[in-house]
Amino acid sequence: DAKTTQPPSMDCAEGRAANLPCNHSTISGNEYVYWYRQIHSQGPQYIIHGLKNNETNEMASLIITEDRKSSTLILPHATLRDTAVYYCIVYNFNKFYFGSGTKLNVKP
Amino acid sequence: KAGVTQTPRYLIKTRGQQVTLSCSPISGHRSVSWYQQTPGQGLQFLFEYFSETQRNKGNFPGRFSGRQFSNSRSEMNVSTLELGDSALYLCASSFGQGWSYEQYFGPGTRLTVT
Repeated sequence: DAKTTQPPSMDCAEGRAANLPCNHSTISGNEYVYWYRQIHSQGPQYIIHGLKNNETNEMASLIITEDRKSSTLILPHATLRDTAVYYCIVYNFNKFYFGSGTKLNVKP
Repeated sequence: KAGVTQTPRYLIKTRGQQVTLSCSPISGHRSVSWYQQTPGQGLQFLFEYFSETQRNKGNFPGRFSGRQFSNSRSEMNVSTLELGDSALYLCASSFGQGWSYEQYFGPGTRLTVT
């Protein structure tokens, strides 16, 4: 079964890129990697997801290693409003594996 | 478009009581999922309803149950409350079943059991 591990916290300077790592070394071939974030007192918000290829949308980029054992979420220009807990989630139809999340602190 | 709404936002109950939480999905969404979030266990999946049928269930005891109505609104019930049930209960709606569709989360109901 796939498990996810994330660093508990990270700091990033405003305007700089934030790179949030996630380890999912036991992921299987049909399991997707999802990223959500949770700003204090709100429900989680979808960011991006992928299977094998790197993905980019208006919020972020997702880089998945070729062996799929780890991934990195990239926020290209972090702002103070990006301060949140970021969750890496491995999903396969009926099974969810939530990481414990990384608290990203964006500092001015 | 209105987001996912959950009522009540805060609730205090005593051990042994039961509680019902409500979730109204985004208009047009047919799937509603429920999650429990605690500092110790993090975010855990409870169950998912799609077209009034439970489609998926997490590893929670039978004290946790739910249902979905024809208008896609959903309720979650917890019977015989225990102190460990204190948590933030989140619901999420999506257009289709499962996480192939983006999940839109509500603000949650904060349940405190004393």
